[in-house]
Amino acid sequence: GAGVSQSPRYKVAKRGQDVALRCDPISGHVSLFWYQQALGQGPEFLTYFQNEAQLDKSGLPSDRFFAERPEGSVSTLKIQRTQQEDSAVYLCASTPETGIGYGYTFGSGTRLTVV
Amino acid sequence: AQTVTQSQPEMSVQEAETVTLSCTYDTSESDYYLFWYKQPPSRQMILVIRQEAYKQQNATENRFSVNFQKAAKSFSLKISDSQLGDAAMYFCASTRLTQGGSEKLVFGKGTKLTVNP
Repeated sequence: GAGVSQSPRYKVAKRGQDVALRCDPISGHVSLFWYQQALGQGPEFLTYFQNEAQLDKSGLPSDRFFAERPEGSVSTLKIQRTQQEDSAVYLCASTPETGIGYGYTFGSGTRLTVV
Repeated sequence: AQTVTQSQPEMSVQEAETVTLSCTYDTSESDYYLFWYKQPPSRQMILVIRQEAYKQQNATENRFSVNFQKAAKSFSLKISDSQLGDAAMYFCASTRLTQGGSEKLVFGKGTKLTVNP
């Protein structure tokens, strides 16, 4: 596609529910990143994929967070047993190469609210 | 830890005037990039300008320019002839190597820019 697409745009979850957030990067982009943006803060790195390989998951805040990109294109970020502190905007971004010289292309994010 | 600091939570400017947003960073990387991103209410992060740290010349993109002071680790953004459409959150970011060899972004907390007609 022409841009990075994320769905759903908004998600409300009851505490304890599992959620799945989808990212559809630009076709052919090798690298895919997930970021978490809490209210009033800058985005923070969660995890990085190069094609289907998850090469860095150092930013995932707990073992309730899990990400996958099985075919090297679409990625899913899954949060199990959601907590109120998980409320945030989750941004996905992709780049055509493994470097970052030209910057990311970001999606519009999914706003997750845990009630 | 690598940090990016934006000391101005909010700034305002009159339409057609010039405004400068401040950013300082701390990095141990020998080679890195610096970025300014704009985030309107639509939430999508839009690249405004990028600077390669090994280049001395300050980057410019139309009405946007940076003042890059490598020794001081300072990277400010100047917006000239401000327009109503420039109103947004602005984030400064620097790159940091990931465990996988690519580079991730470390962001500041942002500056909210208001443009007054």
